[in-house]
This record gives sequence, C-alpha cells and structure tokens, in this order.
Amino acid sequence: KAGVTQTPRYLIKTRGQQVTLSCSPISGHRSVSWYQQTPGQGLQFLFEYFSETQRNKGNFPGRFSGRQFSNSRSEMNVSTLELGDSALYLCASSSTTAYNEQFFGPGTRLTVL
Amino acid sequence: EDQVTQSPEALRLQEGESSSLNCSYTVSGLRGLFWYRQDPGKGPEFLFTLYSAGEEKEKERLKATLTKKESFLHITAPKPEDSATYLCAVQNYGQNFVFGPGTRLSVLP
Repeated sequence: KAGVTQTPRYLIKTRGQQVTLSCSPISGHRSVSWYQQTPGQGLQFLFEYFSETQRNKGNFPGRFSGRQFSNSRSEMNVSTLELGDSALYLCASSSTTAYNEQFFGPGTRLTVL
Repeated sequence: EDQVTQSPEALRLQEGESSSLNCSYTVSGLRGLFWYRQDPGKGPEFLFTLYSAGEEKEKERLKATLTKKESFLHITAPKPEDSATYLCAVQNYGQNFVFGPGTRLSVLP
C-alpha cells in the first residue's frame, strides 16, 4: 500500500512569508503527527492530529499551526517565517494512536532566506 | 523534563564487526521506547517498539533490549547497507514523543 506522501518536497521562502505544507497519511490511518528536524535540535515534535482534532502539541510558538481534514490529510502552516525555521519537516501517520508505530513520509525541506 | 541521549555520536565499523548503540532516557512515565533508522534525505523508518524492562526484539542483524534507564541496539555482523543514522525515541503517558540526537553508523566493506 502507498506510504505517507508529503508535498512539496522542497521549498524556498523569505523571512516574513508564510508557508503551508501538506501530508497524506497511509490509507486508513487517522493519526498524523508533524515533526521538525534540524542538525542542531534533532527531531522535535510539533503536534498530532486525530480525527480532525489536535490531540497533542509540542513546545513551538503559535506561528506553527496545523489542521486535519475529514479524509485524514493534514496541513501544517508556518506564518511570519524566520531564518531558524529552515528545517526538514516530517509527517508521520499511525493506525490508531501515536502510541503505535509511526510511518514517516520523506519530508519537506524548507529553506528560509 | 523528558530527555533522551544517545552514544556514541558516530560509529565506524568494519563489515562483520559487531557492536552496540546506547540510548539513555529519563521520562516521567514510559509508554514505549522506539528505534528508527534514517537514511540521508529520507524520513525515519520504524524498527522496534519496546514497552517494559527486560523486553527484547530482533530483526535480521538487529536486536533491541530495554532496561529501566537505557536501551541498546545490538548490531551483529553488520553489512555496508546497515549504514544509517539510528534514532531512539521515548513516548510518555502524555503521548508526546521525545527523540534522541541519533547515532551515525558507517559500515565499511
């Protein structure tokens, strides 16, 4: 079955702009989690959505937001981009809760200039 | 605050040279400990979940073990294709995941 897909794969933005990233989970998976990965901080949890509701949130500023649609697809938005937002943004889906194994997508590489 | 550390930061092995990677953790309440493999330019790939001290799981040349304070990923007779970054993560009862910084493994032919 198809894996987790993320679009776009690469993105270049300038400071102050906003960006929207998309994630399509594995068919049948209802939980979608987002992570930020940087060389300095490693993988950091952003938030998790389950059945269109945000169930968990990491320690990121309110500029980072997300949503989930009825078909379980999820979007993540970052407003007022800063240079430090440059990172690989990963989406992971799981079949019941985040407690089970997570399947990661290939990520979106965001560069902020 | 929940924390995960991994050692060594990087490890170079000759093909066939067995070794172990360490993951040390402090967590308010352990719901699960996870091992992932990540290749350059790709998302992490799930390997194992361990739930309680004393538990062990195996997959091909990999074996993961868990104690109350740490987990080990044992690699037996590694091959060059085992080269990757290995990530450890814990999930607490608040269902938040905390990842370690990873161990970069290089297996030389």
